Formats: sequence, structure tokens, C-alpha cells
Amino acid sequence: DAKTTQPTSMDCAEGRAANLPCNHSTISGNEYVYWYRQIHSQGPQYIIHGLKNNETNEMASLIITEDRKSSTLILPHATLRDTAVYYCIVSQSIYNFNKFYFGSGTKLNVKP
Amino acid sequence: DADVTQTPRNRITKTGKRIMLECSQTKGHDRMYWYRQDPGLGLRLIYYSFDVKDINKGEISDGYSVSRQAQAKFSLSLESAIPNQTALYFCATSDEKNTEAFFGQGTRLTVV
Repeated sequence: DAKTTQPTSMDCAEGRAANLPCNHSTISGNEYVYWYRQIHSQGPQYIIHGLKNNETNEMASLIITEDRKSSTLILPHATLRDTAVYYCIVSQSIYNFNKFYFGSGTKLNVKP
Repeated sequence: DADVTQTPRNRITKTGKRIMLECSQTKGHDRMYWYRQDPGLGLRLIYYSFDVKDINKGEISDGYSVSRQAQAKFSLSLESAIPNQTALYFCATSDEKNTEAFFGQGTRLTVV
């Protein structure tokens, strides 16, 4: 599976949109982009995933560039409870979950 | 009740002792996983099981063993605990029919 590059940390003001970037320049045509987050030593939690098109659910939006070499996770109105480590993962499917690479991720600090 | 339950949540044990961490799930998933997380780092896969009769080593299996007693239960054992096995341990489950994996709340293990 392709590897990803994320900033180590980011700050966001409460109530503002949090935009978390991820680079995955070696992504293959059949690989999805997955996002998980881990709130303060709890188990990671699934957020969203996508292949080509932009995706939105009740938690976040995922914007994937046309060349698919990068993506952005958007939390539209960040709250203090969104403070967490966010992991961007590229994989062919949940079938390969044993190959999901949870690296260091991006630590998002939402500030009052 | 949580979908994935880990017991114990916290444990302190002495060097050389045998310890078992237990995981049970109510998702009906075939696939289960054990990870460890060290401070400030991502998750590393220890063992995974695709079904009751299929167990596989992950990235860091040395010093660990597992048992898949039933579809719903997957235990991790440290036969002779050592201090560098002090970490946060997570169990997870997945099913290729779903789009996400589910994690337990973690077991904080300290080996003194």
C-alpha cells in the first residue's frame, strides 16, 4: 500500500473549519484514502474514506485532488472534542486492514 | 455495550510474569487484530486473525502469542513480560462487507 505524508501537528480555532492535508503521491488507481482519528489514547475511530470523488458524511468532508496525489480532510466546525491525532491511510480496501499503516498522523489541537 | 471490549483496561505486572489480554466483539466480524502503541507513536500490528483457524504474525510478534477461542474472542499473551512491552494495547475487528474497522478502548500495560 502507498505511504502517506502528514504534518506533525496543526492548530485550529474552535468553531472554524479544520483542514488536514495528506500527501499520497504514489497512490495506485484502485487504492482508497481512509481517515481515522484517535482521541486521547482511545481506540482509533473511522471518519471517512473515498476513491476519486469528494465525500461527505456527518463527521467530515474528504476532498481528493483530481490527480489523487493528495487529499484534505475537512472538519467544518471544529469543537474542542475534535482535538485528536488524525491518520491518513491509503489502501485497496478494508479487506487489507492488516496492511493499514497507522503512522504518527497529525495532532490537531482545537483551541477555544 | 461496546462493540469491542478489552479486559483488563489497566494492568501492572512484574518482569517474567505471564499475562493475558482479552478481547471480545459483538460485531460478528471474522477478522480480529492486536496492536500496540508506544507514547507519541502510531499503532503497530502484533498479530491478526482472519477467522478462527487462521492466525498470522504482524510487524512485531516476537514475545507475544495469541489464541482465537471463538469468532468473538481473540486473546493476546505475553509469556514472560519484559519492561519494553510496557505500552497501550488495542484490539480491533473488521469485515470486508463494512467500510470501517472497530477498535476497543485499549489496555494500558505496565511491566515493572
